[in-house]
Amino acid sequence: NAGVTQTPKFRVLKTGQSMTLLCAQDMNHEYMYWYRQDPGMGLRLIHYSVGEGTTAKGEVPDGYNVSRLKKQNFLLGLESAAPSQTSVYFCASSYSARGEYEQYFGPGTRLTVT
Amino acid sequence: SQQGEEDPQALSIQEGENATMNCSYKTSINNLQWYRQNSGRGLVHLILIRSNEREKHSGRLRVTLDTSKKSSSLLITASRAADTASYFCATDGGGGYQKVTFGTGTKLQVIP
Repeated sequence: NAGVTQTPKFRVLKTGQSMTLLCAQDMNHEYMYWYRQDPGMGLRLIHYSVGEGTTAKGEVPDGYNVSRLKKQNFLLGLESAAPSQTSVYFCASSYSARGEYEQYFGPGTRLTVT
Repeated sequence: SQQGEEDPQALSIQEGENATMNCSYKTSINNLQWYRQNSGRGLVHLILIRSNEREKHSGRLRVTLDTSKKSSSLLITASRAADTASYFCATDGGGGYQKVTFGTGTKLQVIP
């Protein structure tokens, strides 16, 4: 039972390049989330999904796109990377989005945009 | 914007001492959760307290909730070097279906 896994762990991009971050969970969770974590800012929700084939915007969605084609996978795309997107990205999943259910987090992807 | 704000931002204590960190939030909640994040790792759930509960224990952790003051505290007793981490509170927005939002965290250092 791997829990939540993220690929890749580290990446360096040049401004304008694109990339996709992959998140996979094996807990059959309906809900999945992408967060970014910046120093002093805590976790900010980028996009989330309430089930296969659905996505919704979070607090800071601009510059990112997501897809949830399979229940176990949640992809985060950066079409044209900018230095402001330098951050640590965390994927999480939960049984429900309601506050009585804990979220399970992946190990994170450290992205640097130069 | 963050629903929860932790205080202090950073805390340094000696091993064996107790560590207390606080979380204040703005709107009513159904539940409040605490998470731990070791350096370079993802967050790990520690404990959940419901809005109708005032105190909850789990091992060396004690969480209190004061809904009238919109605040919660996390107490770690007899701290260990392995408790060195950042601690985050996470709150929902109360009412019906609401997403969880995370605070900015308290960075705890336990000195051996």
